[in-house]
Amino acid sequence: AQKVTQAQTEISVVEKEDVTLDCVYETRDTTYYLFWYKQPPSGELVFLIRRNSFDEQNEISGRYSWNFQKSTSSFNFTITASQVVDSAVYFCALSEDSNYQLIWGAGTKLIIKP
Amino acid sequence: ETGVTQSPTHLIKTRGQQVTLRCSSQSGHNTVSWYQQALGQGPQFIFQYYREEENGRGNFPPRFSGLQFPNYSSELNVNALELDDSALYLCASSSSAGGPFADTQYFGPGTRLTVL
Repeated sequence: AQKVTQAQTEISVVEKEDVTLDCVYETRDTTYYLFWYKQPPSGELVFLIRRNSFDEQNEISGRYSWNFQKSTSSFNFTITASQVVDSAVYFCALSEDSNYQLIWGAGTKLIIKP
Repeated sequence: ETGVTQSPTHLIKTRGQQVTLRCSSQSGHNTVSWYQQALGQGPQFIFQYYREEENGRGNFPPRFSGLQFPNYSSELNVNALELDDSALYLCASSSSAGGPFADTQYFGPGTRLTVL
């Protein structure tokens, strides 16, 4: 069965530190999609990135970067030079080509202290 | 481009009552999914609608039902409310029209339902 694991329940760092959020997934499909969403205290889930299973290229967007490694079934997310506004719960999610729903990790609460 | 909107923002009901939550999809999107998110947990898939028909359902009882309208707006109805139904209900819209971000789900702000 498909599954997403975010082992870090909560991470607290001081502003300007780099932080990496881990995501490990399980799937039997060869075609699947991985996502990261951010949920600030307001509650709205904000889409950050989508990666398909055939594209292992790492992605960098400003201070955000993502490391997708099929060999370890991981899709980790790094924030460089963290800022207080990055404080939120971050969710990793999986969808398979054979399935329409998103399977979510439990989320990692990120606290950036000034 | 108009994002996903949901109404109401907050709602308080008593056990046994019925509730209707509404969602307006992002412009150009023909698919809507509903999720329930209990406090401190990840979202749980309720169901998805594509072109006005249910396109898949999660592990929720029949008292959770939905509708999608020709303009792709949607409703989530919950009958016989239980205390455990208290949660944030999230609506997400997506497009099946192809392209690199086809089927990526974009979420509304949610409706916070409290059942007393």
